[in-house]
Amino acid sequence: GQNIDQPTEMTATEGAIVQINCTYQTSGFNGLFWYQQHAGEAPTFLSYNVLDGLEEKGRFSSFLSRSKGYSYLLLKELQMKDSASYLCAGAGSYQLTFGKGTKLSVIP
Amino acid sequence: DADVTQTPRNRITKTGKRIMLECSQTKGHDRMYWYRQDPGLGLRLIYYSFDVKDINKGEISDGYSVSRQAQAKFSLSLESAIPNQTALYFCATSDRVRPQGYTEAFFGQGTRLTVV
Repeated sequence: GQNIDQPTEMTATEGAIVQINCTYQTSGFNGLFWYQQHAGEAPTFLSYNVLDGLEEKGRFSSFLSRSKGYSYLLLKELQMKDSASYLCAGAGSYQLTFGKGTKLSVIP
Repeated sequence: DADVTQTPRNRITKTGKRIMLECSQTKGHDRMYWYRQDPGLGLRLIYYSFDVKDINKGEISDGYSVSRQAQAKFSLSLESAIPNQTALYFCATSDRVRPQGYTEAFFGQGTRLTVV
């Protein structure tokens, strides 16, 4: 199988840094996507990692270790608008396989 | 206008009724997908299509059928709706796999379906 695991919920303080982890079985995926989804809305693309290492994009960074089947999304300088679900997705040859998502609540 | 448009946005239907959810896209992508999302279960793939003549079952296709009427249109049908098909349904599109080995998916705004 191609299970993808991530924490169900996290809470962090405005202005802080939060790391959302994602683990997966190493076979079958070409890389890892991260999507952001506000409640009741469509998922929107945040980042993609195909090689090991850190990809930085503004306040958001994503890391991948293919040998360990591990990825994380790092959000810096948290804002209230970052309260959303964050979806980790494995990139197969024809589709994305999603984890169940991590609901992040940012508190003042 | 949105690149991926789903209609209707909300629908309430009765058990046993046939219902069709429609998706159209202006991105010119070959690949289209239907997902459903349930609380605590994440996004699960129902069907996907790589072109008009290529349709494939996903993880949870039972009770659903699809039609790819054109490159830009992909509809999902529930032949006889049942209450456990109550969910948020998303259509998505993607381009062919890039040399880097991935293809980003673009999602419609979703259809909230309630079967009573």
